Amino acid sequence: DQQVKQNSPSLSVQEGRISILNCDYTNSMFDYFLWYKKYPAEGPTFLISISSIKDKNEDGRFTVFLNKSAKHLSLHIVPSQPGDSAVYFCAASAVGDYKLSFGAGTTVTVRA
Amino acid sequence: DAGITQSPRHKVTETGTPVTLRCHQTENHRYMYWYRQDPGHGLRLIHYSYGVKDTDKGEVSDGYSVSRSKTEDFLLTLESATSSQTSVYFCAISQGQLGNSPLHFGNGTRLTVT
Repeated sequence: DQQVKQNSPSLSVQEGRISILNCDYTNSMFDYFLWYKKYPAEGPTFLISISSIKDKNEDGRFTVFLNKSAKHLSLHIVPSQPGDSAVYFCAASAVGDYKLSFGAGTTVTVRA
Repeated sequence: DAGITQSPRHKVTETGTPVTLRCHQTENHRYMYWYRQDPGHGLRLIHYSYGVKDTDKGEVSDGYSVSRSKTEDFLLTLESATSSQTSVYFCAISQGQLGNSPLHFGNGTRLTVT
């Protein structure tokens, strides 16, 4: 049973607009959340993370928001660029754990 | 690539044959992982290692075994390959607790079992 869920398999957005990716989790022991980006024929690369003690973390065009009561996080990309076209995975780990649980991924396509 | 090399990059094998995938790292990281990526499932953990000769099962470990005789190498073996093991396999490494050290992934091995 997947503990991290990304319910939108795909997202299409116009260049310059905001991309919003959503992620839900079920395990209340998760305390650290990450987003990874993956291009075809490459491994996933770390994008941004957030600890459960925060509700927002920003890095350039990327912002992650965490709503612990709703067990929900989101990734905002502003403005979206063609190079952002990729698969984005949400991931989570529990306190003291050495493993990541991943969602199924959301494929983002940025249209020119 | 954070000094991670997976070999082979592509492999086609027949049902019932044993297959070994190799992950080699040059970062001296303690933790190593094997994940598989499948459509609709994302990345699922097969096995992981927290030191030389120290390994543990992940969520989809049936039909797989691993070995880690050196810090730099983590081998994944499919004891008798089945078509359901057709997938893309990723190795990852980490220095420690994930709050301080996100996983870094290799570029994957695409395995096809016919």
